[in-house]
Amino acid sequence: TQLLEQSPQFLSIQEGENLTVYCNSSSVFSSLQWYRQEPGEGPVLLVTVVTGGEVKKLKRLTFQFGDARKDSSLHITAAQPGDTGLYLCAGANAGKSTFGDGTTLTVKP
Amino acid sequence: GAVVSQHPSWVICKSGTSVKIECRSLDFQATTMFWYRQFPKQSLMLMATSNEGSKATYEQGVEKDKFLINHASLTLSTLTVTSAHPEDSSFYICSAVLREQYFGPGTRLTVT
Repeated sequence: TQLLEQSPQFLSIQEGENLTVYCNSSSVFSSLQWYRQEPGEGPVLLVTVVTGGEVKKLKRLTFQFGDARKDSSLHITAAQPGDTGLYLCAGANAGKSTFGDGTTLTVKP
Repeated sequence: GAVVSQHPSWVICKSGTSVKIECRSLDFQATTMFWYRQFPKQSLMLMATSNEGSKATYEQGVEKDKFLINHASLTLSTLTVTSAHPEDSSFYICSAVLREQYFGPGTRLTVT
C-alpha cells in the first residue's frame, strides 16, 4: 500500500505570511499532483511534477518534487485569504493516484 | 476543456433504497474513470476504477455488490449505492482521465 503523509494537517496564518506544506512517502511515484479543494466541490489540479528535483512556479506558489520522487513540497509566498482551502497531494503510479491526508489552510485577513 | 460533471449534486434518500450517481466527461472521451468517497475534513479514498466496456476494479474493502459501477460509454460512468444505510452518507467524487485526472464537482449523499 502506498501512503502519502501530508504535514501540517491544519494551518492558520495571517495574510501576507509564507507557508510550506510537505508531502512525504516511502514509495516512488511516476508523477505527483497538487490539488486545491473548496468545500462541497471537487479537487482542482494545480500542478503536476514528473522529474526528480523539478521545481515549478505558479504565481505565488512554488512546487518541488524530491530528487528520489518520493516527496514534494508546496510553498506559498505572501498568502492571501483567497488561498484558503484544502490542499491535497496525490502520487500517481500505473494510472492510479494515492491521495495524501490533506492540509487545511486558513488565511485570515 | 476537460470538464467533468456529476449528477445529482446532492441527494437525500431513505435507508434501504438505492441511489444512482452519474459521472460524465463533457468534452472528451475517457476510457478510465475513478470513483472516490470523501468524509468531512478527510482526504479522497479511491473506491474503484471504472473501465469502459469491462468490469470495474474495486479497491480492497469496497463491496462490489453494494457499490455497482457501470461504464457504458466513453463519456458516462454510473455508481449505484444499493440498499443505502446512514454510514454510506458521504461526498462521492468521480474523475475522468485524459492524460491526467479531471474531477467532477462531487455528489453529497445523505441517507436518513
